Amino acid sequence: AQSVTQLDSQVPVFEEAPVELRCNYSSSVSVYLFWYVQYPNQGLQLLLKYLSGSTLVKGINGFEAEFNKSQTSFHLRKPSVHISDTAEYFCAVSEANAGGTSYGKLTFGQGTILTVHP
Amino acid sequence: NAGVTQTPKFRVLKTGQSMTLLCAQDMNHEYMYWYRQDPGMGLRLIHYSVGEGTTAKGEVPDGYNVSRLKKQNFLLGLESAAPSQTSVYFCASSFSRGQGMNTEAFFGQGTRLTVV
Repeated sequence: AQSVTQLDSQVPVFEEAPVELRCNYSSSVSVYLFWYVQYPNQGLQLLLKYLSGSTLVKGINGFEAEFNKSQTSFHLRKPSVHISDTAEYFCAVSEANAGGTSYGKLTFGQGTILTVHP
Repeated sequence: NAGVTQTPKFRVLKTGQSMTLLCAQDMNHEYMYWYRQDPGMGLRLIHYSVGEGTTAKGEVPDGYNVSRLKKQNFLLGLESAAPSQTSVYFCASSFSRGQGMNTEAFFGQGTRLTVV
C-alpha cells in the first residue's frame, strides 16, 4: 500500500516569488507520480507527471518537479508565481505495476493550498 | 470534446434518501473511478472499474454501490444517504498503454452533495 504526505497544508507567497510545494511518498513498489491543481469549484487538472526517464519533469504553467527516489520525494516548484496560481495542489501516486493490476488507482496527499498575494 | 461529465453538479438529500450520480466519458477509456474529496483528506477512492461490466472496491466503499453497464458510463449509488456522505464526489477515467504503464486520470467537474 502507498501513502502520500504533503508537508504543508497552506503556503502563502507574494507574487513573483519562487515557491516549492513538498510531497513525500511511501511505497513498497515502483510508482508513477503526479501533481494535480484544483481551482475553486472546479475539477482536478494535471500539472505534470513522472512515469519514467528524466527525474526532472516540466509541466504546464511554468511548474516543474523533481523525482528523488532515494528521498521518496516529488516536490513541485515554480520560480515566479502569479496571482492566477492561487489554488489547491495535490500530489498523487499510483503503482507502476508490470502486471497491469494497479489499474491507475491514485493515492492522494492531503492537498496544499497555495495563496499568492499581490 | 467533453472529456468526463458528471451529473448532477449539486444535490441536497435528506438522511435515508437514495440517489444516483452519473459519470460519462467520451475518450473510450477502459478504467473509471469514483473519488470523494473531504477537507484536509485529499481524495479517496470509493470504487473503480477496469472495464464494462466490472467493478471493484476502493479505500472507502461502505454505503455506496456502482455499476458499469456501458463502457462510457459509471454510476455511483447511495442507497440510504447519511450525513457522513456529505462530500464532493469526483469521477475520473484513464487508460493503460500496456505492460502496466497507466496514464494520468482525467477528472470531471465534481458533484457537491449535502446530506441533511
